[in-house]
Amino acid sequence: RKEVEQDPGPFNVPEGATVAFNCTYSNSASQSFFWYRQDCRKEPKLLMSVYSSGNEDGRFTAQLNRASQYISLLIRDSKLSDSATYLCVVNGGLTGGGNKLTFGTGTQLKVEL
Amino acid sequence: NAGVTQTPKFRVLKTGQSMTLLCAQDMNHEYMYWYRQDPGMGLRLIHYSVGEGTTAKGEVPDGYNVSRLKKQNFLLGLESAAPSQTSVYFCASRALTGGADTQYFGPGTRLTVL
Repeated sequence: RKEVEQDPGPFNVPEGATVAFNCTYSNSASQSFFWYRQDCRKEPKLLMSVYSSGNEDGRFTAQLNRASQYISLLIRDSKLSDSATYLCVVNGGLTGGGNKLTFGTGTQLKVEL
Repeated sequence: NAGVTQTPKFRVLKTGQSMTLLCAQDMNHEYMYWYRQDPGMGLRLIHYSVGEGTTAKGEVPDGYNVSRLKKQNFLLGLESAAPSQTSVYFCASRALTGGADTQYFGPGTRLTVL
């Protein structure tokens, strides 16, 4: 089982739609969680951290469920510019402690007219 | 403030050749990382450093060596390149301040080994 698992997609949605991505992680001791965004042939960039109580940043909402060990990202009112790959990231993982991040393989989103 | 820079951006090597990838950051971060990204595999950690003069192995360290002689630089070396090392290599530095935890990535180096 992968340490961080995501549905690779692609998710093809019309502009203005709401789309949700889920991610599961295997190490129950993981402490920090993030969503990164990666555009085609570019470097990953932090989209948002994920807090236990859930957090929102504009059209983006992140949730954490520690009991079920999954993280979600909700994007409302999708824009063409949201088209990218979204990486679920967990601090710690099975092979390292707090010094390392473990990345999921990413979920591809395509927003269409 | 350039952030994280990587050189070179592209490189083609023949099997058995050696090369060094340079990563530089101007944000005074202690932590630095080298990843490789392959289709369907996601980002995998090669080596990392928690401070000047220290290095540690990541998930896929075989065939690579690193050095962190200066805080701002993190070098990744391939002593004898193999086709399996064809990949996109990303360097990152990490900020841990004010409760935030953010990795800043360089633009990547696209390496092809023939």
